[in-house]
Amino acid sequence: DSGVTQTPKHLITATGQRVTLRCSPRSGDLSVYWYQQSLDQGLQFLIQYYNGEERAKGNILERFSAQQFPDLHSELNLSSLELGDSALYFCASSVDSGRAQGEQFFGPGTRLTVL
Amino acid sequence: QKEVEQDPGPLSVPEGAIVSLNCTYSNSAFQYFMWYRQYSRKGPELLMYTYSSGNKEDGRFTAQVDKSSKYISLFIRDSQPSDSATYLCAMSPRNYGQNFVFGPGTRLSVLP
Repeated sequence: DSGVTQTPKHLITATGQRVTLRCSPRSGDLSVYWYQQSLDQGLQFLIQYYNGEERAKGNILERFSAQQFPDLHSELNLSSLELGDSALYFCASSVDSGRAQGEQFFGPGTRLTVL
Repeated sequence: QKEVEQDPGPLSVPEGAIVSLNCTYSNSAFQYFMWYRQYSRKGPELLMYTYSSGNKEDGRFTAQVDKSSKYISLFIRDSQPSDSATYLCAMSPRNYGQNFVFGPGTRLSVLP
């Protein structure tokens, strides 16, 4: 158990809908990273938040957005869903401060199926 | 050319064998290198975290980094069926605050 929690575990929805994925980082970790993993694309970095502020952006679509709240949990919002958005979505957290190593610890993921 | 290349496998070995998993990369700025193990439909689990060139050992696992060749390896000694998983390499130019670039993963099967 990495200490990172994600809800829900599974999500089934229809095209055009909007969903919200939730992540709680390990205690003490300031950074949250979101990744998408599909069969043909591997693990793709979407976005990083550090202590409430957006820090880095990867291959995140405009239909997707995220935020990190004062308690450091994060939400990833996916809207106007398409079939191709079906994937595993992982959250990872890291301390990212001081002399700590920047290891990222992953949550169990949310499996999104768009029908 | 992808930034990080990894043989997707599958790689099948008998129990007790030494396994060698490899990644090559093109970005000479990468300095931090990681190996993750991912069981089917689970989150990646960090195995090794190394900086720059050299070796790092942790139990049955040894990570090697050769920055001059842009080549990293993970060796698993005395492999066990429980090692059957997908192994992902990841790398970054900085210690933190920078998104990691992941390889596509190698599927390993250790046969009893």
